[in-house]
Amino acid sequence: QLQLHESGPGLVKPSETLSLTCTVSGGSISTGRYFWGWVRQPPGKGLEWIGIIYYTGNTYYMPSLKSRVTISVDTSKNQFSLRLSSVTAADTAVYYCASLDTTVVEYYFDYWGQGTLVTVSS
Amino acid sequence: EIVLTQSPVTLSLSPGERATLSCRANQSISTYLAWYQQKPGQAPRLLIHDASKRATGIPARFSGSGSGTDFTLTINSLEPEDFAAYYCQQRYNWPPLTFGGGTKVEIK
Repeated sequence: QLQLHESGPGLVKPSETLSLTCTVSGGSISTGRYFWGWVRQPPGKGLEWIGIIYYTGNTYYMPSLKSRVTISVDTSKNQFSLRLSSVTAADTAVYYCASLDTTVVEYYFDYWGQGTLVTVSS
Repeated sequence: EIVLTQSPVTLSLSPGERATLSCRANQSISTYLAWYQQKPGQAPRLLIHDASKRATGIPARFSGSGSGTDFTLTINSLEPEDFAAYYCQQRYNWPPLTFGGGTKVEIK
């Protein structure tokens, strides 16, 4: 069973870059069965998809965030990462990493990290 | 972009009652819809995929139905642990993958 765990700073200054890493255990990130993605949730609000990456490096992003988002993968460390540039208070949210299955439950998120709160404030 | 609208925003029910949650898409998405449950302080959990297929380990009191633009999540005989927020998500036309705004099922 996969386990995902987010890590990174909990506080980021406005205009700076938010950086988070998701470490995958219980399976290989290169398995080809999954996309690896990020979803965020502002306090008290709903879920917003940020983007996904395949182990080959192919990426898909939320159009409204595309100019600021980069998702990358490091297969040697079994990790993938999120970078969101030029952050504002509107980017304050709990950030989840999750696996998007491509076989059994096609293109739905079946495993999630516990989430990490990132606050944008000076 | 496919927009999903969930209703009601809040549903107040008692344990043992039936919950009926709605998710409506702004265009047909066939049966490419999932439902997630989220409890406070926890990550979402996949309940239903492809509109009506229960995910592994999900109790039979959870059922999904619908196709096209209108979908329903039904929870038969609410258990105390079922009081939570529920979100739908489509994968018919992406990117982007989109979620509905959520329905909170609270104890009456």
